[in-house]
Amino acid sequence: SQQGEEDPQALSIQEGENATMNCSYKTSINNLQWYRQNSGRGLVHLILIRSNEREKHSGRLRVTLDTSKKSSSLLITASRAADTASYFCATAALPSNTGKLIFGQGTTLQVKP
Amino acid sequence: GAGVSQTPSNKVTEKGKYVELRCDPISGHTALYWYRQSLGQGPEFLIYFQGTGAADDSGLPNDRFFAVRPEGSVSTLKIQRTERGDSAVYLCASSVTGTALSGANVLTFGAGSRLTVL
Repeated sequence: SQQGEEDPQALSIQEGENATMNCSYKTSINNLQWYRQNSGRGLVHLILIRSNEREKHSGRLRVTLDTSKKSSSLLITASRAADTASYFCATAALPSNTGKLIFGQGTTLQVKP
Repeated sequence: GAGVSQTPSNKVTEKGKYVELRCDPISGHTALYWYRQSLGQGPEFLIYFQGTGAADDSGLPNDRFFAVRPEGSVSTLKIQRTERGDSAVYLCASSVTGTALSGANVLTFGAGSRLTVL
């Protein structure tokens, strides 16, 4: 079963613009993570945000988490053609400390040069 | 090893055949995960191991699917009597531990094994 739902399913922007992807989930979580997947490749971890955190930055990435709305957003600033990929949110559900991650359906981002 | 290694990268088989997919995790990672990904979908959880034991196998779709990790390192996903609906990319990942404490469940993925059942 899928825990997260990403929105939009697809996003196309010009190089230099910002890209925002949203993720909603259903159960209480321990942490939420974002991964990137280039076409035909495995997933690569981008950033993790814990349930007691509201915002986190890593380079051009900014992640927010609203546990009351069970939602998160990933912002990529000053996008580059190399950012073209699919982006997935994944959650580690409470109440256990299981490391198991449940992934959403993903957002496909295309950055045009 | 330096990363998570999966073999074979591609496997074509006929309906009804038996298939084994292998995963070699990062050395020292105690947790190992199997996911399945269909085209245009997110990874679907199958099973994860803490050491040699299956900590959670709730994602295995039916009893044709089985996975082992006898020495707590390499894992094999076994699929019996394959069906066309089993066609997908099977992803393996490992993490330092199998808990979400202190963010120790950051997954490192392999490149996947693409299974095609004719």
